[in-house]
Amino acid sequence: DTEVTQTPKHLVMGMTNKKSLKCEQHMGHRAMYWYKQKAKKPPELMFVYSYEKLSINESVPSRFSPECPNSSLLNLHLHALQPEDSALYLCASSLGVGRDGYTFGSGTRLTVV
Amino acid sequence: AQKITQTQPGMFVQEKEAVTLDCTYDTSDPSYGLFWYKQPSSGEMIFLIYQGSYDQQNATEGRYSLNFQKARKSANLVISASQLGDSAMYFCAMREGGGFKTIFGAGTRLFVKA
Repeated sequence: DTEVTQTPKHLVMGMTNKKSLKCEQHMGHRAMYWYKQKAKKPPELMFVYSYEKLSINESVPSRFSPECPNSSLLNLHLHALQPEDSALYLCASSLGVGRDGYTFGSGTRLTVV
Repeated sequence: AQKITQTQPGMFVQEKEAVTLDCTYDTSDPSYGLFWYKQPSSGEMIFLIYQGSYDQQNATEGRYSLNFQKARKSANLVISASQLGDSAMYFCAMREGGGFKTIFGAGTRLFVKA
């Protein structure tokens, strides 16, 4: 299995809703990442988990809450989002920090209304 | 602070010809890695090629090669024999030292013409 699976692929939520994005990989990768990508822009790092521990938080607002329940799963809990949070949310994983690039999921296209 | 610059917003290339996508970078860390990713319109980022700062030779992966000029801090991607399926956004990226943080350049949109 050489994939990162993200669900859902599309999500529309209201500003008062609570929702979660899910990311799963079974490649034995020990680092997992959340990136946010606005239209026509590069991905921006949000969070990094290494060995299931939060390693990097790029000063992301608290309305985004990451969770890594085990080495294969990464969640992003969303609460009280703003319309400007609408974006493509990409999950990625890597074996470590060596020569291997990231394996990305196909992303969740989030629209906040 | 690390920085990646891609100055070509869009590029056109004729099918079966070669194309070079430019990337320059800036870092004070002597140890770093440079990556190229492809993002088709479907959205998924695909890892293409890697170059380490201490690598003596330019990286190659099939039709992709990286023209690494360390003194000029450039890491240009060369795609040989372009195919219609190469039409996509291409991002240059860098990771410093042993850290987990990878930053991306603004990207270059490549259009391959039949």
